[in-house]
Amino acid sequence: RKEVEQDPGPFNVPEGATVAFNCTYSNSASQSFFWYRQDCRKEPKLLMSVYSSGNEDGRFTAQLNRASQYISLLIRDSKLSDSATYLCVVNLNNAGNMLTFGGGTRLMVKP
Amino acid sequence: ETGVTQTPRHLVMGMTNKKSLKCEQHLGHNAMYWYKQSAKKPLELMFVYNFKEQTENNSVPSRFSPECPNSSHLFLHLHTLQPEDSALYLCASSLSAGGVFMDGYTFGSGTRLTVV
Repeated sequence: RKEVEQDPGPFNVPEGATVAFNCTYSNSASQSFFWYRQDCRKEPKLLMSVYSSGNEDGRFTAQLNRASQYISLLIRDSKLSDSATYLCVVNLNNAGNMLTFGGGTRLMVKP
Repeated sequence: ETGVTQTPRHLVMGMTNKKSLKCEQHLGHNAMYWYKQSAKKPLELMFVYNFKEQTENNSVPSRFSPECPNSSHLFLHLHTLQPEDSALYLCASSLSAGGVFMDGYTFGSGTRLTVV
């Protein structure tokens, strides 16, 4: 099993659609989780941290399911500018500040 | 402006060359990292520095040599690289975690390296 696993996609959705990505992680004791966004040929940028109770930032909602060891990202009312690769990131072994990155899920929002 | 600056943005080097990548952060962070991103592969951690001390070397070949003179600067010295080392090299910084790490990393724009 990969340490942090994501469906690579691509997810092709029309503008205005709602889309959700899941990500599974291998260590049930992991404590911190993040979603990053990476545009083509650019660096990853922090989109949001994922809190135990779930959290929302505008059109974006992140959830954590510890029992099933996955996190999710929901994007409502998709915009063309949401087209990017979304990286799931986990502090797997709670080893200080070391993060493990998933391979990313590519989203393409079409007009 | 990300607060983490990497130079050069692009680098083409021969297998016998020696070059260095530079990273500087202006965020007051005390941890810095080198990651490698190859096409269609996840980011791979290479090195971690906390308070300018190397705390992680992820089995990186010795042709990659990191240097961290202070908490704001990080270098990656390259020599006798192979074509398969061509990739995007990303520097990141963060605060060192005292407990649960909730801050994430800030990345630089990366150096796109091509070895010919």
